[in-house]
Amino acid sequence: DGGITQSPKYLFRKEGQNVTLSCEQNLNHDAMYWYRQDPGQGLRLIYYSQIVNDFQKGDIAEGYSVSREKKESFPLTVTSAQKNPTAFYLCASSVEQARGNQPQHFGDGTRLSIL
Amino acid sequence: QQPVQSPQAVILREGEDAVINCSSSKALYSVHWYRQKHGEAPVFLMILLKGGEQKGHEKISASFNEKKQQSSLYLTASQLSYSGTYFCGTGRNDYKLSFGAGTTVTVRA
Repeated sequence: DGGITQSPKYLFRKEGQNVTLSCEQNLNHDAMYWYRQDPGQGLRLIYYSQIVNDFQKGDIAEGYSVSREKKESFPLTVTSAQKNPTAFYLCASSVEQARGNQPQHFGDGTRLSIL
Repeated sequence: QQPVQSPQAVILREGEDAVINCSSSKALYSVHWYRQKHGEAPVFLMILLKGGEQKGHEKISASFNEKKQQSSLYLTASQLSYSGTYFCGTGRNDYKLSFGAGTTVTVRA
């Protein structure tokens, strides 16, 4: 079955450490996204990519970095510059971005906490 | 800018109806609706597009008033499985979705 796989499910970060969250999709989608979700809040866009080797900052990109070297993969690195990284991180994909007229399919998320 | 959802929470008995509203201060090209169960990924319900086209769910309906930049989601004859948090996502001309803070729906037997 096609879908989006995020790993790990739970991740703990020490002070000053960079951590990388994995996101892989086998839906053959061009567009991929990373969102952050805090308790009681909606999803906020961190980064998005419309095509391989291209990505754009979302609304809260500071302290995060991404790469898109393969169509299937869009890893997110939470750097030490992100001072409040504790959140639920969701990866999503869609056929194309096209002004938001395509549904987004989400992975099961990674819950990141500070040690 | 995030769209504004109302109400924040609603409690229903099985079989009752509810309406969830989503409004934006910006011109919209599309409105998405998703449902999220606790600790799980959001699941796509439907998209409403500028011009009237609608894609999505059979048992849950929605409307999109382009002039007022508002959308409403209608939960009719609610079932226990309808419980969860409903998010609207508004599509703008910069190709990004902005999500509301969510409406928590609890359906009780």
